[in-house]
Amino acid sequence: GAVVSQHPSWVICKSGTSVKIECRSLDFQATTMFWYRQFPKQSLMLMATSNEGSKATYEQGVEKDKFLINHASLTLSTLTVTSAHPEDSSFYICSARSLATSYNEQFFGPGTRLTVL
Amino acid sequence: DAKTTQPTSMDCAEGRAANLPCNHSTISGNEYVYWYRQIHSQGPQYIIHGLKNNETNEMASLIITEDRKSSTLILPHATLRDTAVYYCIDRSGGGADGLTFGKGTHLIIQP
Repeated sequence: GAVVSQHPSWVICKSGTSVKIECRSLDFQATTMFWYRQFPKQSLMLMATSNEGSKATYEQGVEKDKFLINHASLTLSTLTVTSAHPEDSSFYICSARSLATSYNEQFFGPGTRLTVL
Repeated sequence: DAKTTQPTSMDCAEGRAANLPCNHSTISGNEYVYWYRQIHSQGPQYIIHGLKNNETNEMASLIITEDRKSSTLILPHATLRDTAVYYCIDRSGGGADGLTFGKGTHLIIQP
């Protein structure tokens, strides 16, 4: 149980285009999902917290107008990178918080590798 | 910034126990110690967590010192597939916040 999927697993796009990444909790409901990004040889950095039915909360330094987050259902959150540029190339990972466990654990998706040309 | 400190890298022979230390000297009373690992180009995987008692599950054991300022993750019989970056994180039990990852320990299992 507690499986989180991401789609696509990788994407290559041209500079200036927008890219949408989906994060789904497959076998549990997640009122809260988190988005992270990881640059090569670095650790994961939290970008934003996504709550179902409300606006996302962004970490300091993350542009909310560039990284649009929608959490329309208890099993789906989407991250849209708008007007992507090469510096946005990164590994984007989501996690979903499960209320089913006694300690509200977070389960991670497999990640989406974005390359902007 | 992460509040835990871990060695940058460690080697361990296949079949032996891998012991990964973590210092969390500023941990507060309601914060748990969580361990995750990340295999190259994959999302992090939960391993184990604990508050003050030692814990064991099918993946690993967690030994927490009595003063809770440090802990050790033990992989009892390491395999090549255990090669990964291991992250030690201290966080509150409610889990409402995102995780703050440090640099972790790159564990390399040698054949």
